[in-house]
Amino acid sequence: EVQLVESGGGLVKPGGSLRLFCTGSGFIFSNAWMNWVRQAPGKGLEWVGRIKSKPDGETRDYAAPVKGRFTISRDDSKNTVYLQVNSLKTEDTAMYYCATGGYYMDIWGKGTTVTVSS
Amino acid sequence: EIVLTQSPDFQSVTPKEKVTITCRASQSIGDSLHWYQQKPDQSPRLLIKDASQSISGVPSRFSGSGSGTDFTLTINSLEAEDAATYYCHQSSSLPITFGQGTRLDIK
Repeated sequence: EVQLVESGGGLVKPGGSLRLFCTGSGFIFSNAWMNWVRQAPGKGLEWVGRIKSKPDGETRDYAAPVKGRFTISRDDSKNTVYLQVNSLKTEDTAMYYCATGGYYMDIWGKGTTVTVSS
Repeated sequence: EIVLTQSPDFQSVTPKEKVTITCRASQSIGDSLHWYQQKPDQSPRLLIKDASQSISGVPSRFSGSGSGTDFTLTINSLEAEDAATYYCHQSSSLPITFGQGTRLDIK
């Protein structure tokens, strides 16, 4: 079965950090471009960033609101992509999804919740 | 940044009705436009890729059209299970952006 499973979310104070995980199965993970997309409570989808596959240079791109605070990395031996989130702000509170795809996003996980609150 | 504007924001519709949702891009994006369906408490699901290409497993009542700046998602003969929020998404240039969403309620 093709799937993505996110984990690592939780409650953190402003200024804190978390590391989110996304593990894939049922497809060739090493060839996949991996995205992180978030959704604040009651709001729409917001792209956070992506990492290309190693054959495509493993380039990382980020949305402006998270650039310099969030870092995406991957370990293809573990079929896992990571999102390191630092200097968290209350406005980072959201469900964080990972999704495959360099153009359209065809596989999505169920998400992991990050809550930033004092 | 390419801004995607969907209309309407909300629509209440009856089963078997034909529904049209539009997505307008702030600049030309060719056919790099994709549509997703998100039901409450679920993750998004890809419905249409590259403006008009169908996705395996998605009912044939969903179709897409358009290119450049104006795009349409059409749902023919709406069913109750189609109650959801629909998003367009562009992959033409970074940053990747989504439309604000269109919520469909079934009467």
